[in-house]
Amino acid sequence: AQSVAQPEDQVNVAEGNPLTVKCTYSVSGNPYLFWYVQYPNRGLQFLLKYITGDNLVKGSYGFEAEFNKSQTSFHLKKPSALVSDSALYFCAVRDYNTGGFKTIFGAGTRLFVKA
Amino acid sequence: GAGVSQSPRYKVTKRGQDVALRCDPISGHVSLYWYRQALGQGPEFLTYFNYEAQQDKSGLPNDRFSAERPEGSISTLTIQRTEQRDSAMYRCASSSLTGDGYTFGSGTRLTVV
Repeated sequence: AQSVAQPEDQVNVAEGNPLTVKCTYSVSGNPYLFWYVQYPNRGLQFLLKYITGDNLVKGSYGFEAEFNKSQTSFHLKKPSALVSDSALYFCAVRDYNTGGFKTIFGAGTRLFVKA
Repeated sequence: GAGVSQSPRYKVTKRGQDVALRCDPISGHVSLYWYRQALGQGPEFLTYFNYEAQQDKSGLPNDRFSAERPEGSISTLTIQRTEQRDSAMYRCASSSLTGDGYTFGSGTRLTVV
């Protein structure tokens, strides 16, 4: 069975500084990995995905994520944080080989960007 | 439609009543998913469909929960004999068959009193 862990409940960063939101995963087959963002009182929005190919994937709003197979990680990054990036971020994983299209979400990491 | 549409947006029901939550996916999206999300938590998988076929219902908590998608488009999640612990945000999402990222609806907030 697939699972995903987000070890930090909250990440605080100053505006203009780089940010990292951590994610590790566990699957028995090949992973499909995703990041979603949820702004206050809003639905979840897709940010980016890793399916195959280049380990560094770029997504919406200047976010990127790096797939590391040996560390089973898929950390979300942004070179320069904005106050408007403050939101709840979810990492998600799908086990392509065994899980069909079932996607499992992490518990979420709340990002606070201070001006 | 342009997005995933869920109705109603809010539902308050008395314990023991049945409720039906509706999801209208993006036109052309063959995969449809149901999740439940507690406040401040990640979405919890319930079930999903490819076309009209229910592919995985392993996340449905018990036999009071059921879902259908009879014509491969609109889906209904039904909760029978609701209990207070069923109170949550119920989210629907859809995607293409290739398994791209999901597009989520705004959700239905269910409150059982």
